[in-house]
Amino acid sequence: DTGVSQNPRHKITKRGQNVTFRCDPISEHNRLYWYRQTLGQGPEFLTYFQNEAQLEKSRLLSDRFSAERPKGSFSTLEIQRTEQGDSAMYLCASSRLLSRGRRGYTFGSGTRLTVV
Amino acid sequence: TQLLEQSPQFLSIQEGENLTVYCNSSSVFSSLQWYRQEPGEGPVLLVTVVTGGEVKKLKRLTFQFGDARKDSSLHITAAQPGDTGLYLCAGQTNDYKLSFGAGTTVTVRA
Repeated sequence: DTGVSQNPRHKITKRGQNVTFRCDPISEHNRLYWYRQTLGQGPEFLTYFQNEAQLEKSRLLSDRFSAERPKGSFSTLEIQRTEQGDSAMYLCASSRLLSRGRRGYTFGSGTRLTVV
Repeated sequence: TQLLEQSPQFLSIQEGENLTVYCNSSSVFSSLQWYRQEPGEGPVLLVTVVTGGEVKKLKRLTFQFGDARKDSSLHITAAQPGDTGLYLCAGQTNDYKLSFGAGTTVTVRA
């Protein structure tokens, strides 16, 4: 179990540029999630995949955001025409089903995006 | 607006003291999780509680899920500097989504 890996760890970009983040989940986990966390807040749900299918998207995910999970393995989150309000920590998590209906979640270390 | 309200927002105590963090909501959750997050890192799962009234102990940490499955508490006995961090509660509202509280920043002074 190598954990959830996210790259890059930090990204500084100019307003209007596009950025792409990558997440490699735990291989046995069939679900993958993207969350966004701003300073002083808890993570907020953006979207999730079951295998390669994107099953739910939050209203937080504007049309400038797109996420993919080709072949149900790694996932990418792209933000087009970045705005200063996009500055946040972007967290990826994966999960598997445990006993008694519990889900075991593992979060990555996140990608810290700063839009200047 | 957060679905889960955590209190207090900040907590600073001396090593050896006890502390309790609260997580409250008007919503019912199928399960509730507690995480600890360090600066620049992702949240690390501490515990998942599922049954109303459930109490779980993890060394010096005690977690309780309310009878109605709307609230939870985290109690730390004899806190140590290594317990310093951001403590987050997260409720599972449906099959796939976790709703997090804003967190409680705990500082344990040596």
